[in-house]
Amino acid sequence: GEDVEQSLFLSVREGDSSVINCTYTDSSSTYLYWYKQEPGAGLQLLTYIFSNMDMKQDQRLTVLLNKKDKHLSLRIADTQTGDSAIYFCAGRNSGGYQKVTFGTGTKLQVIP
Amino acid sequence: DTAVSQTPKYLVTQMGNDKSIKCEQNLGHDTMYWYKQDSKKFLKIMFSYNNKELIINETVPNRFSPKSPDKAHLNLHINSLELGDSAVYFCASSQPLGRGGEQFFGPGTRLTVL
Repeated sequence: GEDVEQSLFLSVREGDSSVINCTYTDSSSTYLYWYKQEPGAGLQLLTYIFSNMDMKQDQRLTVLLNKKDKHLSLRIADTQTGDSAIYFCAGRNSGGYQKVTFGTGTKLQVIP
Repeated sequence: DTAVSQTPKYLVTQMGNDKSIKCEQNLGHDTMYWYKQDSKKFLKIMFSYNNKELIINETVPNRFSPKSPDKAHLNLHINSLELGDSAVYFCASSQPLGRGGEQFFGPGTRLTVL
């Protein structure tokens, strides 16, 4: 099955940019997602990128996809204290029912 | 509100008991899921149903039995609860793949087995 790996922790100062990285093993992943989980809540989709794209920008969020290296990143510009949360990347494989595999999660701490 | 809802939000029970968690979505999605999130926040898929049919069944003990009475509901029954079952259980549903396949998550059920 697919493995999706992330660093566990990232700390940034308010106003700086945050970059959260993710590597995956299944080169046939069709969609790659970034989800945000705030304390005590479920996951919410932030953005996703289709595998034939290299970059997607959505307001303060920029997703970069390097298919050759199977590397996905999420950049958050002008990081705010409200961005403190756990961020999960996830990949949807191309098999029959296209299972989604989630990464290990990166806890982002924003220091005021 | 349109959403994925789960009941109960918290469940505290003794080892050996049997318990159920209910999930409902009013988003009109065909596919629903159960995930388990452990204390380290690792999220693992347990089951997925598409239009009331089981399509994904990961390596989960057969003490866990999902039931989908209709495509808007996916319940999880757990027999003979064990300490290791303590976790947060999330229900989710997803859009069709042609619209990105985004998953919508419920708020979670925190299960504590004593």
